[in-house]
Amino acid sequence: GAVVSQHPSWVICKSGTSVKIECRSLDFQATTMFWYRQFPKQSLMLMATSNEGSKATYEQGVEKDKFLINHASLTLSTLTVTSAHPEDSSFYICSARAGAPRDTFGSGTRLTVV
Amino acid sequence: GENVEQHPSTLSVQEGDSAVIKCTYSDSASNYFPWYKQELGKRPQLIIDIRSNVGEKKDQRIAVTLNKTAKHFSLHITETQPEDSAVYFCAASLNRDDKIIFGKGTRLHILP
Repeated sequence: GAVVSQHPSWVICKSGTSVKIECRSLDFQATTMFWYRQFPKQSLMLMATSNEGSKATYEQGVEKDKFLINHASLTLSTLTVTSAHPEDSSFYICSARAGAPRDTFGSGTRLTVV
Repeated sequence: GENVEQHPSTLSVQEGDSAVIKCTYSDSASNYFPWYKQELGKRPQLIIDIRSNVGEKKDQRIAVTLNKTAKHFSLHITETQPEDSAVYFCAASLNRDDKIIFGKGTRLHILP
């Protein structure tokens, strides 16, 4: 089956620093990747949609200059949280789509900003 | 845009009994409705999905029904087991290229 790898699984960083999260589709080419943020006991909130080779489409209220998304190849998308602050602490999850809306999720990254 | 409402937020069911989770959607053009199961700290896992040209779909103990007229769809889990305890999310999507909008989730507890 489709496998999506996400790294790191957890990260602790100091306030003001940047963190990069990688999302890879291991056995298929992902035409589209999605990035979600999930706060404790809440639903998945879509942050942005990225298509390979083009700029990401951000959801309303998500700062594109703070959450940088790069989708340089059909198997890799990265999310960089720039100048992270404690309120950015959350569970970030990516998902990958290979032409049909049966999205496969990555294992998630728990970000803690101290 | 699409809005997905999910009820209940929490559901406790005796082991062996059935559980039903209900969702409604706002955009009549939505045509794909997946259900995800998420265990604590883990990724969401697709458990079943249904498209708008089908009214019901079943996979062993799990079934989903769709009422396009009323714009609601439901997840049915029969003969519940302890491993069914998790958070379940319904979702809706307009088409194959569109984003998936999630409901707020239902925390299902299977009581021994």
